[in-house]
Amino acid sequence: GQNIDQPTEMTATEGAIVQINCTYQTSGFNGLFWYQQHAGEAPTFLSYNVLDGLEEKGRFSSFLSRSKGYSYLLLKELQMKDSASYLCAVRDRRTGANNLFFGTGTRLTVIP
Amino acid sequence: DGGITQSPKYLFRKEGQNVTLSCEQNLNHDAMYWYRQDPGQGLRLIYYSQIVNDFQKGDIAEGYSVSREKKESFPLTVTSAQKNPTAFYLCASSTGNRGYTGELFFGEGSRLTVL
Repeated sequence: GQNIDQPTEMTATEGAIVQINCTYQTSGFNGLFWYQQHAGEAPTFLSYNVLDGLEEKGRFSSFLSRSKGYSYLLLKELQMKDSASYLCAVRDRRTGANNLFFGTGTRLTVIP
Repeated sequence: DGGITQSPKYLFRKEGQNVTLSCEQNLNHDAMYWYRQDPGQGLRLIYYSQIVNDFQKGDIAEGYSVSREKKESFPLTVTSAQKNPTAFYLCASSTGNRGYTGELFFGEGSRLTVL
């Protein structure tokens, strides 16, 4: 099966940088996704990593190390609107063409 | 604009009643999914369909049923057999086309409360 771990909650200050970690265990790894979800709303896609290294998209970056089963999402220049849950999800090729398995999410609170 | 529409957004049900949640997409995506989200837990896969007239059970299919008669539609029925149906239900779709990452596009969700 899949085992995906990420911290439950984090707090950071507006304007700062925060790193949200995600570790996973799966033998059929086929990509890792990060989603943002505001309370009561649908998750929205942030980033995708399938090869080792860093992917940068504006204020958000995501890193992957397949050998370590590890990823992080880096948020720079934090804004109050970044307060949300951040979901790490792993795609497992053994379970079907595109099935994603999600961690419990990290609730980020940005304070002034 | 293209997207996924779920309805209703909020639904209350008495115990013992079946209820059907609607999911429609106009993204021309082949694959559609139903997830359930509970506080403190990750999204859990209920059912998925990779093509019309075919669907597969996910991790927590017991007490649920689906159909996929049209590419655009993937309704979920929560039956009376589902022991703890109160949850936030999310429908999603994705394209299997080459060159795409295959990320999921989510609907706005349906919050079901059993009274």
